[in-house]
Order: sequence, then C-alpha cells, then structure tokens
Amino acid sequence: EVQLVESGGGLIQPGGSLRLSCAASGFTVSSNSMNWVRQAPGKGLEWVSVIYSGGWTSSADSVKGRFTISRDNSKNTLYLQMNSLRAEDTAVYYCAGAVRGGDLLYWGQGSLVTVSS
Amino acid sequence: DIQMTQSPSSLSASVGDRVTITCRASRGISNYLAWYQQKPGKVPKLLIYAASTLQSGVPARFRGSGSGTDFTLTISSLQPEDVATYYCQKYDSAPLTFGGGTKVEIK
Repeated sequence: EVQLVESGGGLIQPGGSLRLSCAASGFTVSSNSMNWVRQAPGKGLEWVSVIYSGGWTSSADSVKGRFTISRDNSKNTLYLQMNSLRAEDTAVYYCAGAVRGGDLLYWGQGSLVTVSS
Repeated sequence: DIQMTQSPSSLSASVGDRVTITCRASRGISNYLAWYQQKPGKVPKLLIYAASTLQSGVPARFRGSGSGTDFTLTISSLQPEDVATYYCQKYDSAPLTFGGGTKVEIK
C-alpha cells in the first residue's frame, strides 16, 4: 500500500521560512515525478512544484525564487523549502506522486501552513 | 503558459441526471489531461487520466473525452456520493495547471 505522509506545517510569520516533508512508503520517490499542490482555505487546487525522476524541477510563477522542491533518495522523502512566506501562501499543502506521465495518482493527507503575524 | 478553464463553476442536478463538465485549454495539450474528484474535507482523488482512461476502481458512470483543447467529464447517472468538486489538470509539461473546479450538488 502506498502512503505519503506530510509533516512540517504550522503557523509562521510573514517573511519566515518553513520546510515541508513528505515521507513515502510503498512508492519510490526517486523513480517517479513528485509534486506539491496547495489549496488555500475555500479555494481550488493550485499546482506548486514538480521534481521529475531525472532530477529536473519546475515551479509555479507564484512561488518561483522562494520555494525549492527537493528529495532525499536515501530517505525516500520529498521536501518543499519555503522562504519569504506571505499571507497568500496560507494553504493546505499536499504532496502527490505520479507513476505515468504526470497524472497524480497518490496523494498525502495534506499539511496546513498558516502565514500570519 | 497554458490556461485551463472549467465550466460551469457549479451545478445542481437531480439523482439520475446526466452531468457534463467541460475543460478548455488555451493551447493544445494532446490528451495529457486528468480529472480529479475532491469530496468535502477530503483529499483529491484521480478519476481519469490521458483524457479518457478510467482509473482503476472508479465507477463506469464517469467518462472522459476530448483531445487538443476541449475536454469533457460526464457522469452518466448522478449519484448522491458524487457530490464533490471536480478539477481538470494538464500534465503535458510544467506548469501542471489545474482548472478552477466545478462544484456538483444534488438538487
């Protein structure tokens, strides 16, 4: 059974930094493309970042230069380093894995990040 | 970047009705289109990938169609458990943009 378990969310002041983790089991992070998707309260899904099996990464314009996606193959864990956080970054952050072209088959339960003073 | 536009943003239909949701890409994406269902308070769930392939375990009343720029998700006979918000997503290349969502309710 595949499990993706996010951690690291919480309350952070504007301008602060936070690192989210997504520990995978039953699924190899390095062999598949892994994504972060977020959902602001009462809003729709917003794609944030992807890291492909080959290591190439891409991020949404809204977080480019502030957020960095990475992985630790030895720990089978995905990360999202979030710097210069803003109120509009407040959301539930999901990690999601793709086993085919890019459709997101596996999702974590989500981690809430609240940016507020 | 390619924009994904879903319509309608919400709909209300009776049990047993046929429901159709559309998703339009601002440029062609071949068949790199997925549909997700998100029930209230739950994690999104993959319904359809490659525009028309049903994910294993998804009821056959869900059907996807389209290619290029215009795509459709059809629920052939709406059931109470289908109350949810539905999202399309392109995945031909980054950014992997989602549509704005369609909230489906029972009349």
